[in-house]
Amino acid sequence: EGQLVESGGGLVQPGGSLRLSCAASGVTFSGLWMTWVRQAPGKGLEWVANINQDGSAKYYVDSVKGRFTISRDNAKNSLFLRLNSLRAEDTAVYYCSGGQFSLWGQGTLVTVSS
Amino acid sequence: QAVVTQEPSVTVSPGGTVTLTCGSSTGAVTSSHSPYWLQQKPGQAPRTLTYDTSNRYSWTPARFSGSLLGGKAALTLSGAQPEDEADYYCYVTYSGVGAVFGGGTKLTVL
Repeated sequence: EGQLVESGGGLVQPGGSLRLSCAASGVTFSGLWMTWVRQAPGKGLEWVANINQDGSAKYYVDSVKGRFTISRDNAKNSLFLRLNSLRAEDTAVYYCSGGQFSLWGQGTLVTVSS
Repeated sequence: QAVVTQEPSVTVSPGGTVTLTCGSSTGAVTSSHSPYWLQQKPGQAPRTLTYDTSNRYSWTPARFSGSLLGGKAALTLSGAQPEDEADYYCYVTYSGVGAVFGGGTKLTVL
């Protein structure tokens, strides 16, 4: 059965950067459209970014365009999200998901605070 | 980007039937938006119930069904159980642009 495991979250100062990773196992990762979703404390789900199977198509929510970059390494069964110029409002649990949302990770918490 | 709207809260009696809806600020939600419905319980990751309007996953109880209703995506729960108490989110895709989650519906079984 497929599994996704996120890592890379933590406490970062405003303006700082982080790189989130999502490791896939038990699935044909290269065949999956992948998505990053976030959830601020006590709030609803927010779609952040999508990437297609070969990485040639990427889409972002307006609020992160130019600051976040989604990427993948199919050889390493891994999905990434580079977060730059972080703001307090980026504080959230970040989830990776794949396969038409059939798979979800457990999430990794990003806290942006001085 | 588009705004997707859901009822903020809904209450259903045990054994009862309820329909949650999902509308789009751009107009009618159609099958081309490939709407999804997800369930989230406190402290847990979301779990997807339906995709592409009405397809269930193997883990989705048969009492949940997705559809299009009056220009909106809809999730109908027939025979509500106490364990169905949760937050429910719809997700709508916009071709070439991205996607949007609705604000979520808090379902109470009481």
